[in-house]
Amino acid sequence: NAGVTQTPKFQVLKTGQSMTLQCAQDMNHNSMYWYRQDPGMGLRLIYYSASEGTTDKGEVPNGYNVSRLNKREFSLRLESAAPSQTSVYFCASSQGAGNTIYFGEGSWLTVV
Amino acid sequence: GENVEQHPSTLSVQEGDSAVIKCTYSDSASNYFPWYKQELGKRPQLIIDIRSNVGEKKDQRIAVTLNKTAKHFSLHITETQPEDSAVYFCAASTWSNTGNQFYFGTGTSLTVIP
Repeated sequence: NAGVTQTPKFQVLKTGQSMTLQCAQDMNHNSMYWYRQDPGMGLRLIYYSASEGTTDKGEVPNGYNVSRLNKREFSLRLESAAPSQTSVYFCASSQGAGNTIYFGEGSWLTVV
Repeated sequence: GENVEQHPSTLSVQEGDSAVIKCTYSDSASNYFPWYKQELGKRPQLIIDIRSNVGEKKDQRIAVTLNKTAKHFSLHITETQPEDSAVYFCAASTWSNTGNQFYFGTGTSLTVIP
């Protein structure tokens, strides 16, 4: 039981390049999330998926797209990376109402 | 949407003293309040949580209190130890027809001085 697994752990991109962060959970959770974490700003929600087949924007969705591929997998895509997207990205999942959220190990992304 | 404020942003205590971190929230519909500990370079991990029908919860040296009327909740750590040094995040969760949403505070960096 690995929990929430995300890849890659580290990535350096040049401005304008694209990439996809992959996330998978093996806890049979309905809801999945992508957060970014910047110093002094806590965890900010980029996109979330309440259930398979649905996705919704969070607080900071600009510059990102997501795909809920199936119940287990939720990917985050940067189409044209910008230095402002340098951050630590966390994927997370939750069973639903009144249940906690579990995080992956994080992906450190640097855009130069 | 929900707005969660967390104070203080940094906190230093002597080993053995108590530490208190406070959060406020704005949405009266929020009904679940977890606290996470994040060590440097690691993922946030749940340390304690409380639901809106409970006023206080304890787990060994950690306790959380909730005042629904005032919309604030607090984390209390007693007999602090150096390994308690980390960043702590509070969160408020609301269930709506678009799913289970979590809103996080901006974090408190706790340093326990040996």
